[in-house]
Amino acid sequence: DAMVIQNPRYQVTQFGKPVTLSCSQTLNHNVMYWYQQKSSQAPKLLFHYYDKDFNNEADTPDNFQSRRPNTSFCFLDIRSPGLGDAAMYLCATSRDKEGHSTDTQYFGPGTRLTVL
Amino acid sequence: GENVEQHPSTLSVQEGDSAVIKCTYSDSASNYFPWYKQELGKRPQLIIDIRSNVGEKKDQRIAVTLNKTAKHFSLHITETQPEDSAVYFCAAGTGWRGYSSASKIIFGSGTRLSIRP
Repeated sequence: DAMVIQNPRYQVTQFGKPVTLSCSQTLNHNVMYWYQQKSSQAPKLLFHYYDKDFNNEADTPDNFQSRRPNTSFCFLDIRSPGLGDAAMYLCATSRDKEGHSTDTQYFGPGTRLTVL
Repeated sequence: GENVEQHPSTLSVQEGDSAVIKCTYSDSASNYFPWYKQELGKRPQLIIDIRSNVGEKKDQRIAVTLNKTAKHFSLHITETQPEDSAVYFCAAGTGWRGYSSASKIIFGSGTRLSIRP
């Protein structure tokens, strides 16, 4: 009955080698978020999709891209991973309604990325 | 910009005692205040949340209070147990921002809570 699924749970890549992380959801939520979380820090929002509309955070490096081919799936692409990109990547979903206050975000289990 | 400050960064309490974590926020438009518990290597899990039209909310041993005038909110855990040991994050969210852009939550820096047996 998993609601937000992330694959893989652990990913090892080499410096500069592109990597893709995936997230899927069974909640039919219209919003999907990607966060980066480094050790002992709070999750940091990278970007989010509101339906098909992509919203980038101002300080998210160009190295990070995202795709959302349909409501259920969202991908995080790291074009040229550096050592500083090693982190836990968390996907979250919510159901945002026009004119309503923030709705609860549901997090996936995360993908731990190691860069060698 | 929007900011959420959280204190203390670490907290150690005796099992059975109470723990209190405090947060302040800067954006007066914030209207949603969730608290997440994160165990080592796991996802943040929502433990309780409060909206700006409510001053206090309780769920068994956990309670949250909100003071909108002062822009601060607190988490209270009573009768602490070893399984309460984790990192706790407060967050503040602003509502719908207009077409094509979703609401966002801003996290505090986290509190590492340790329960001493």
